[in-house]
Amino acid sequence: GAVVSQHPSRVICKSGTSVKIECRSLDFQATTMFWYRQFPKQSLMLMATSNEGSKATYEQGVEKDKFLINHASLTLSTLTVTSAHPEDSSFYICSARDPSGSTDTQYFGPGTRLTVL
Amino acid sequence: GENVEQHPSTLSVQEGDSAVIKCTYSDSASNYFPWYKQELGKRPQLIIDIRSNVGEKKDQRIAVTLNKTAKHFSLHITETQPEDSAVYFCAASARNSGNTPLVFGKGTRLSVIA
Repeated sequence: GAVVSQHPSRVICKSGTSVKIECRSLDFQATTMFWYRQFPKQSLMLMATSNEGSKATYEQGVEKDKFLINHASLTLSTLTVTSAHPEDSSFYICSARDPSGSTDTQYFGPGTRLTVL
Repeated sequence: GENVEQHPSTLSVQEGDSAVIKCTYSDSASNYFPWYKQELGKRPQLIIDIRSNVGEKKDQRIAVTLNKTAKHFSLHITETQPEDSAVYFCAASARNSGNTPLVFGKGTRLSVIA
């Protein structure tokens, strides 16, 4: 199946700093990628839909000025957590669907565990 | 928008027994229903999926059934093994241009006791 990578896999930062997470589709072009957040022992909650060449679509309750999304190319979307605080500590996962495929399968990246001290 | 309910939240079975996890969805436009398995600290892995034009799909020990009228679908794992222990998530989406995200259930923590 298609491969989605994320970087970094783990990051620890001080409160108030900004953290950038990259999501790449390695063997296909993704016009759309999705960003999810998962707190411990909880489900995946959609944060936003990242659209190549246009603005991201954010879910209700997700601050677009705090979670900046840039989808500058067909293989890369970035999520920047600005002025991070301890409550932003979570597991962030991206996903993408291979539009050339015959299925609706969405492939997930390995996730990024963010810890804000 | 879509809302997916999943039950039970935890499930313990003896090795060799079957496990059943059930989900309901609210949006009649949803037509794609995948199931993901997630081990601790890892990404969700697709284990099986079904589209709305099919009522049942099977892959070895795993099967999924769909009842469009009742808006519910279920995951069946037979002959469970300890390595089946994980968190399982159901999801639903409506396929249009491929830009529709998945809406997940809250997950079921399955424990297979050897």
